[in-house]
Amino acid sequence: DQQVKQNSPSLSVQEGRISILNCDYTNSMFDYFLWYKKYPAEGPTFLISISSIKDKNEDGRFTVFLNKSAKHLSLHIVPSQPGDSAVYFCAASPTSYNQGGKLIFGQGTELSVKP
Amino acid sequence: GAGVSQSPRYKVAKRGQDVALRCDPISGHVSLFWYQQALGQGPEFLTYFQNEAQLDKSGLPSDRFFAERPEGSVSTLKIQRTQQEDSAVYLCASSFGGGYGYTFGSGTRLTVV
Repeated sequence: DQQVKQNSPSLSVQEGRISILNCDYTNSMFDYFLWYKKYPAEGPTFLISISSIKDKNEDGRFTVFLNKSAKHLSLHIVPSQPGDSAVYFCAASPTSYNQGGKLIFGQGTELSVKP
Repeated sequence: GAGVSQSPRYKVAKRGQDVALRCDPISGHVSLFWYQQALGQGPEFLTYFQNEAQLDKSGLPSDRFFAERPEGSVSTLKIQRTQQEDSAVYLCASSFGGGYGYTFGSGTRLTVV
């Protein structure tokens, strides 16, 4: 039972345009959501996060949107750059930020930004 | 060290062999996590330590999997009698305390033949 789903295995975008990566979840008890970025042969690195009490969080070129009623979140990258080409994982946790703990990851979306 | 160090980077094991995977977390990091990532999938939680205490091992797939962190620093994930389905990248992550400021290591790629 996949509690966090990324239905698009891959996405190709032109440099300078917007990249939108999507993620759906099934567990309404999830309290905190994160996006990780992964390059080949490296571990995932934290990108941006959002608490369930917010609907938007922005950090430079990266914005995460949360729609709790639809159990959907998305990551927007504007403008996209070739260095953004990587696999992006959505992750969720049922515990509050301060408690930490395990994360449940989606399957990942491979983003390719073409010059 | 500056990051989370995992060794070996690659391991090929014959089916039935026992393996031990090592994780050196960032110095001072209290929390340590193990995840398993199969090809084309996202990381799946295996187990979690806070210092030397194993607080959650709900993700360990069978009793062939065992993890320890005896002194609250280095951790070892042991897999006994490896099977082909154990082939995956095993990721270790650490963090200073609560929160999700995980730092992942580069992982150990285990191939069981």
